[in-house]
Amino acid sequence: TQLLEQSPQFLSIQEGENLTVYCNSSSVFSSLQWYRQEPGEGPVLLVTVVTGGEVKKLKRLTFQFGDARKDSSLHITAAQPGDTGLYLCAGARAYKYIFGTGTRLKVLA
Amino acid sequence: GAGVSQSPSNKVTEKGKDVELRCDPISGHTALYWYRQSLGQGLEFLIYFQGNSAPDKSGLPSDRFSAERTGGSVSTLTIQRTQQEDSAVYLCASNSIGGTSYEQYFGPGTRLTVT
Repeated sequence: TQLLEQSPQFLSIQEGENLTVYCNSSSVFSSLQWYRQEPGEGPVLLVTVVTGGEVKKLKRLTFQFGDARKDSSLHITAAQPGDTGLYLCAGARAYKYIFGTGTRLKVLA
Repeated sequence: GAGVSQSPSNKVTEKGKDVELRCDPISGHTALYWYRQSLGQGLEFLIYFQGNSAPDKSGLPSDRFSAERTGGSVSTLTIQRTQQEDSAVYLCASNSIGGTSYEQYFGPGTRLTVT
């Protein structure tokens, strides 16, 4: 059973466009992380959000944790080809991490 | 400092053979995780170690899969009598279980192909 659903599954956009990726669950998490993974490498942590309603900004990336700590979103402003990769959300419950289904983003120059 | 390392980076094996995958976590990290990733999708939890103990083995797909950790450091994931459905990227991660953020650091993975 997949507890964290991500949407969209695939996204191909032109450089300069904005996009939002969603991560949804019916379960509550103590924290939620977003990772980016490039081919042949392990996922790399982008951000961790802990408090319901929390918003974090990392340059052109904005992350939000839902008020009920069940969902999250990642918004990218003015996407660049370097943003291309697989984006994964992961919900933490005690020691365990539940990963989302992944969103594969391709940004065309 | 050094990150998480895994070996081999690629492994091709024949159906029915046994394989061992190795993970060297970040020094001092007490928690270690194994995941499986198929076709560039999300990660499937396999097993969690705290020190040398594995309090959660719930993700191991079958009794052909086993893992151990020694000295609170290196971990080995063993797959016996490999099947084609075992083909995937096996990822290892470690963290120090500090604070409330529970950040994980991943190795580059081992790509296993069973022919």
